[in-house]
Amino acid sequence: KAGVTQTPRYLIKTRGQQVTLSCSPISGHRSVSWYQQTPGQGLQFLFEYFSETQRNKGNFPGRFSGRQFSNSRSEMNVSTLELGDSALYLCASSLAGRNTQYFGPGTRLTVL
Amino acid sequence: AQSVTQLGSHVSVSEGALVLLRCNYSSSVPPYLFWYVQYPNQGLQLLLKYTTGATLVKGINGFEAEFKKSETSFHLTKPSAHMSDAAEYFCAVSEGNQGGKLIFGQGTELSVKP
Repeated sequence: KAGVTQTPRYLIKTRGQQVTLSCSPISGHRSVSWYQQTPGQGLQFLFEYFSETQRNKGNFPGRFSGRQFSNSRSEMNVSTLELGDSALYLCASSLAGRNTQYFGPGTRLTVL
Repeated sequence: AQSVTQLGSHVSVSEGALVLLRCNYSSSVPPYLFWYVQYPNQGLQLLLKYTTGATLVKGINGFEAEFKKSETSFHLTKPSAHMSDAAEYFCAVSEGNQGGKLIFGQGTELSVKP
């Protein structure tokens, strides 16, 4: 089975712009979770989608949003980018709920 | 609130020596516990997990971890370190009512000296 894929792998944006990141889960997995990884804050949970519904949300501002499609693929969007949004954004998929999460390679976002 | 504490942000061992990475958690319900490894510029790879049952869990690449409820710990060990084990290691906890939400420790960077 193919693993979790994320596109693009690298992205450079300027402050004030918006960005959309994409995640394709492992075939058959219905849950997709997103995490932000920074040197200062470590790995922080953004949100989880299951069957096209947001089931959990972390403590991030409303500029961070996501959605999931009927084929379980997920996108996350960050609007009005700030310098502090520079991070590695990781997507993980699982069969459902508390099952093991499998991570993609991440998207490295740099905000200038 | 659940939390994970990894003692030591950086651990250095000699090749062939014992690897011990410490993880303590707090959880109000029986936790699911995980160890992940991250190599530079890559995502997270699952090493092992504890859900229920046997408290000594064996994972990939010779790693194992023991769930000790009384000590709220889930330390990761490997009898003999290899150069290829150099990476960052993350302990994570998932609670039953939080679905696909993992809470991670701050990570421990493992260096292996020849």
